[in-house]
Amino acid sequence: DTGVSQDPRHKITKRGQNVTFRCDPISEHNRLYWYRQTLGQGPEFLTYFQNEAQLEKSRLLSDRFSAERPKGSFSTLEIQRTEQGDSAMYLCASSLRPDTQYFGPGTRLTVL
Amino acid sequence: QKEVEQDPGPLSVPEGAIVSLNCTYSNSAFQYFMWYRQYSRKGPELLMYTYSSGNKEDGRFTAQVDKSSKYISLFIRDSQPSDSATYLCAMSGAGSYQLTFGKGTKLSVIP
Repeated sequence: DTGVSQDPRHKITKRGQNVTFRCDPISEHNRLYWYRQTLGQGPEFLTYFQNEAQLEKSRLLSDRFSAERPKGSFSTLEIQRTEQGDSAMYLCASSLRPDTQYFGPGTRLTVL
Repeated sequence: QKEVEQDPGPLSVPEGAIVSLNCTYSNSAFQYFMWYRQYSRKGPELLMYTYSSGNKEDGRFTAQVDKSSKYISLFIRDSQPSDSATYLCAMSGAGSYQLTFGKGTKLSVIP
């Protein structure tokens, strides 16, 4: 399968713990995005990388959130000191062009 | 007012019906328009994309963009039970790769 992959698919954590998610984009795609989706809502943009450079960040991305894309390949999204409001589906997408972003299956986070 | 408005439904139609899904937007900077299909607890799947006003057809799907009215549509012909999903419109502006999504419309196609 050559699509976007995400790991883990599900994560249950206790409030206050740190969590890290991984995204592997489609191999030839130089652009990578993170979105967050809550129940009944469309995905909301968090951040965007072109190669290893983080070029856009949403105001939704508080200082508890950090994303990296070392060497312009896979990316990680870390949430520190998780809160119950962080419970959501975290989606990763990749693209070569702005009009064709391809999404992965998502990581569902539950904060107890 | 949200930048992208989409009726969340739910929308229920009989198998074989023509389905019309719509979004309106307020930001005239949006240049790229997409439709995604999302099954429950899965990631969104890209269905259609366009950057110009007019129609674009792909099999049973037709995407329509009217930039003057800030209105986009997705038509599904000969709808099938497997089309039952949530349909999300998304758009972005020139020079920005950030997608802005509608809330999604939940569609059920009844056999």
